[in-house]
This record gives sequence, structure tokens and C-alpha cells, in this order.
Amino acid sequence: AQSVTQLDSQVPVFEEAPVELRCNYSSSVSVYLFWYVQYPNQGLQLLLKYLSGSTLVKGINGFEAEFNKSQTSFHLRKPSVHISDTAEYFCAVSEGESNYQLIWGAGTKLIIKP
Amino acid sequence: DAGVTQSPTHLIKTRGQQVTLRCSPISGHKSVSWYQQVLGQGPQFIFQYYEKEERGRGNFPDRFSARQFPNYSSELNVNALLLGDSALYLCASSRGSGNTIYFGEGSWLTVV
Repeated sequence: AQSVTQLDSQVPVFEEAPVELRCNYSSSVSVYLFWYVQYPNQGLQLLLKYLSGSTLVKGINGFEAEFNKSQTSFHLRKPSVHISDTAEYFCAVSEGESNYQLIWGAGTKLIIKP
Repeated sequence: DAGVTQSPTHLIKTRGQQVTLRCSPISGHKSVSWYQQVLGQGPQFIFQYYEKEERGRGNFPDRFSARQFPNYSSELNVNALLLGDSALYLCASSRGSGNTIYFGEGSWLTVV
């Protein structure tokens, strides 16, 4: 069965510093991978997705993620964070072409320190 | 264009009551899916509907049901509410399989 592990429940980082949010998954088949962001009291917004092709995926707001099949990881990175990046970030995975039945990680709260 | 809209945004119910949550997808989107997000956790998949047919169901009891209407809007019903049903209920829509899904801002349900 699929599962998604986000190793860090909270990541504090100073403004303008780089950040990496970790995501590992388990699956016996090919997967599609997603990162979503949830700002306080709002719904989920897609940051980026990996379906196939280049393992380095660029998303919105300066975020990028790298798919590593051998390590079953899909870590999210940003070279310089801003206070507006304060939010909760969710990694999700789906099998096959249907991306409705997403399996989600527990989320990582990104805390930006001034 | 309007995004995915959900109503109500907040509601409080008593244990044992029933609740209906509503979702209007983005214009042109034929698929709607529902998720439950308990505080401090990631969303859990409940249902997916495409062209008014149920295409997927998560591991939720039969107290949870849903339907999709000819205009592709959807309702999620939960009967015999339990305290543990307190959560943010998210609706998402997409054009079809393999397309990006877009989330509404959710309906906060509190069961007391």
C-alpha cells in the first residue's frame, strides 16, 4: 500500500535562508507526486507536480522539487524564503493516471523567522 | 473565472445530527472529489465522482455519502455525526483523470 512520510512536522528557518522540506513515499508501482501549500484558513494550492520526464520540477513562488526514484523521495526546496512562505506544505502521491485518490503526508509547517 | 466554491464555510452540529456540505466545481470541470482534513493531519480521500458516477471511495463508514448533479455540483452527506467527524471538509475539481485538481477553501465542521 502507498504511504507518504513527511519527516518534519515543523521547519523553522530565517528569512532569506534556503529551505528543504522532506518527503518520502512507498509504492510498488510508478507514481505521480505533488506538493501542495495551505496558507492559514485557506484551501490547498498546487505548488508543483511530477508526472514524468525531468526529475527536477519547478513550481510556483520559486519552489522546486527533485524526484529521486532510488531513494523514493520528492523533497521540496527554495533557495531563499520570504515571510509570505509561512504555511503548511503537504506532499501527496497517486498511482497511475488517476490523481484523485491522493495519499497525503501529514504536512510540514514552515515557520519563517525574521 | 470562479474557483471551487464550498458552502457553508463554518457550521456547528450536535452528535447524532446529519449534515450536508455543498460544492460547485470550476466551470468546465466534470470531476469532483471530497477530502476530510482533521486538524494537524493531511487530507484523507473520501469520494470521487466523474460525470455523476462514483469512481472512487476511501476508507470511510457508510454514514458518509455523496452525489453529483447534472450541473456537476456535488453534495457530501454525513449521518449520525460523531465528535470525530469534526474536521475541514475539502472539495476539489478537475477536468478529468490526470488533470490538475483544484481545491476549494473548505467547510469547517464542528461536532459538539
